[in-house]
Amino acid sequence: DAGVIQSPRHEVTEMGQEVTLRCKPISGHNSLFWYRQTMMRGLELLIYFNNNVPIDDSGMPEDRFSAKMPNASFSTLKIQPSEPRDSAVYFCASSWDRVTGELFFGEGSRLTVL
Amino acid sequence: AQSVTQLDSHVSVSEGTPVLLRCNYSSSYSPSLFWYVQHPNKGLQLLLKYTSAATLVKGINGFEAEFKKSETSFHLTKPSAHMSDAAEYFCVVSGLRRGYQKVTFGTGTKLQVIP
Repeated sequence: DAGVIQSPRHEVTEMGQEVTLRCKPISGHNSLFWYRQTMMRGLELLIYFNNNVPIDDSGMPEDRFSAKMPNASFSTLKIQPSEPRDSAVYFCASSWDRVTGELFFGEGSRLTVL
Repeated sequence: AQSVTQLDSHVSVSEGTPVLLRCNYSSSYSPSLFWYVQHPNKGLQLLLKYTSAATLVKGINGFEAEFKKSETSFHLTKPSAHMSDAAEYFCVVSGLRRGYQKVTFGTGTKLQVIP
């Protein structure tokens, strides 16, 4: 079975540019999570969707960040405009069981903003 | 409220010696508990999980963890460390909050294995 698929795996961009990260969760999973990982702050939950609806977006840093889940098989995380402090690895994870559900992680998207 | 505390940010062991990574949790309901491993430049992989069945949970690569409700602990152990175990390990608690999944990660423990 295919796992969680993220793209791009690596992105280098210049400050001010728009960045779009993509995620395809595991088929049948109804929860999707976006995390950001940095050396300084560790793993941070950005946003959590359940059945394509955003449930908790309290971790979204600011208005420059937005996330969408138009259907059960696709989600995007957009940063506009990007800043150097957004440089991090962004992970997408999906889960099928709200009660006991383990999270299945993608390989991550490494973003570098120059 | 729900929280996870990983008591050591770094642990160093010699190859072939036991591994102990400590985790304490706080939860106002019966949570599920997990250990994940992250190798350098990789995503997070599930090692093992506790979901209110047997309190001693066996995972992949010889790891196991024991759920101790009285101590609110879920420590990860392995009898003999291997070089390939060098990675970062995350203790995670998951429960329901207002009908939705609430997942809390610990801050991670970096395991160094010395040849």
